[in-house]
This record gives sequence, structure tokens and C-alpha cells, in this order.
Amino acid sequence: TQLLEQSPQFLSIQEGENLTVYCNSSSVFSSLQWYRQEPGEGPVLLVTVVTGGEVKKLKRLTFQFGDARKDSSLHITAAQPGDTGLYLCAGGGSARQLTFGSGTQLTVLP
Amino acid sequence: DAGVIQSPRHEVTEMGQEVTLRCKPISGHNSLFWYRQTMMRGLELLIYFNNNVPIDDSGMPEDRFSAKMPNASFSTLKIQPSEPRDSAVYFCASSNLWGTRSGNSPLHFGNGTRLTVT
Repeated sequence: TQLLEQSPQFLSIQEGENLTVYCNSSSVFSSLQWYRQEPGEGPVLLVTVVTGGEVKKLKRLTFQFGDARKDSSLHITAAQPGDTGLYLCAGGGSARQLTFGSGTQLTVLP
Repeated sequence: DAGVIQSPRHEVTEMGQEVTLRCKPISGHNSLFWYRQTMMRGLELLIYFNNNVPIDDSGMPEDRFSAKMPNASFSTLKIQPSEPRDSAVYFCASSNLWGTRSGNSPLHFGNGTRLTVT
């Protein structure tokens, strides 16, 4: 069974601060996706990374896939209250199904 | 595109009753997934279908759970009999997973059904 551990589990910061959340595994994944989930809604895809070492930027969000394709990070610059939500990483494996991490609950205070 | 549609949004039932959750995937998607989300266990895959055929149901917790996909536009997840420990948010998601080389297509989630079994 492929497991994904996310850290921290909870994060509360002030508007304007920077933050990084991590997604780690002992297994190699063919791809890594990041989702954000808001209360009362389903997760929504933010980005997919597929190549070891790949870095993708989405406005203030920077996603990185580890060289060995076992880990990933999400960095948010100058966080805003609208960034509040549950951030989930999900690893793609040979069975074409995704394994989801436990999530990081981010709260950005105004 | 209306997205993935789930019903009902909320379900409150008594232990022992049958519960049926419904899902309409995005038109044209060939894969459908049922997930369960709780604070303790996070997002767990229960079962997924490809072209209406169940591919992997190893995540279904017990025989009390069953899922069907009679056609490409409809799926149900049934719990009979329900128990308090089944209380969770159940999500349906669809994708074109088998249409890609490496299965990197995103999952499109519905807004979930919040199930409370008392």
C-alpha cells in the first residue's frame, strides 16, 4: 500500500506570511497532484506534476516534485484569506488510481 | 458543464436503515470513483468503475456496502444496514483516467453527501 504523509496537519498564519506544506512517501509515484478543498465542497485540482524535479507555479503557489518522485511541496507566498482550505496531495500509481494524503488544513487570518 | 452531481447533499438516518447515495458523473468521462472522507481517516477510495464496470472494490469496508453503475451517467452507493460508524462525507468523482498514457487526468469531485447515522 502506498502511503502519503502530509505535514503540518494544521497551519494557522497571518495574511501576508509565506508557508510551505509537505507531502512525503517511501513509494515512488508516476505523478503527484495537489487539490484544495473548501468547506462543503469536493476537492478541486490545483496542479499535476509528473517529472522528478519539476517545479510549477500558479500565481502565488509554487509546487515541486522531488527528484526521486517520492515527495512534493507546496509553497504559498504572501498568503491571503482566500487561500484558506484543506490542501491534499495525491499520488498516481500503476493501478491508475490516486492515493490521497491526510491533508493540511490551512487557515489564513486577516 | 454542470460538474459531478451528487444527491442528497445531507442524509440523516437511523441505524439499521438502508441508505442510497446517487451520483451523475461528467458526461464523457470513462471512470467513476466513490470516496469516503472522515476526520480520522481522511479521503478513502471505496470503489471505482471504468466504462461502467467495477475495477477495484477492495476499499469497500464490508458487505453492507454495494455500488452499481447501470449506465455511463448514473451510479449508486448503497449501505444496508447502516451503522453509526458509517457517518462520513461520501464523494463521487469522475475522470477520463483511462484516456491518458499515464493516468494523470484530474479527478472531478461532486460536493459530497454528508451521511449521519444515529
